[in-house]
Amino acid sequence: AQSVTQPDIHITVSEGASLELRCNYSYGATPYLFWYVQSPGQGLQLLLKYFSGDTLVQGIKGFEAEFKRSQSSFNLRKPSVHWSDAAEYFCAVSGGYQKVTFGTGTKLQVIP
Amino acid sequence: DSGVTQTPKHLITATGQRVTLRCSPRSGDLSVYWYQQSLDQGLQFLIQYYNGEERAKGNILERFSAQQFPDLHSELNLSSLELGDSALYFCASSPRGAGGQETQYFGPGTRLLVL
Repeated sequence: AQSVTQPDIHITVSEGASLELRCNYSYGATPYLFWYVQSPGQGLQLLLKYFSGDTLVQGIKGFEAEFKRSQSSFNLRKPSVHWSDAAEYFCAVSGGYQKVTFGTGTKLQVIP
Repeated sequence: DSGVTQTPKHLITATGQRVTLRCSPRSGDLSVYWYQQSLDQGLQFLIQYYNGEERAKGNILERFSAQQFPDLHSELNLSSLELGDSALYFCASSPRGAGGQETQYFGPGTRLLVL
């Protein structure tokens, strides 16, 4: 069965600092991987996705993620965080036509 | 704005009652997915419909049911409600219903509170 682990429940970074959110997945074959962001009171918005090809994926709002098969990871990064990035971030995995399994989320707090 | 609409935004009801949540997918999307987000369970996939037919089932309770109508809007029916059903219910849509192969576009959710 597929699963996703986001080991950090809560992360606090200073505005302008770099950010890395961790995501580890479990799936037997090549997975489809996603990062979504959820602002308070909002639905989930797709930041980026990996299906195949280049393992470094660029997304919206200046985010990127790198697929590392050897580590079963798909960490999300941003070089310089803005206050508006404060939100909850969800990593998700799918085997294709199967359902999408979401991680438990990481809440990001940005301090001035 | 994802283009997916959900009504109502908030719903307060009592245990034992029945409620219906409504979702309109993005224009052109044939598939609708329902998710439940709660503090203890996280974001759980409930069920997927494609062009009116059930395509995939997740952790959906027998007290819950859904359907997708010919105009592609979908309704999630929750009956014999319990306190533990209090959660945020999301609807998402995608063009071809290819599950994890497609981007799913999420609505703003319906917050259900069962008292």
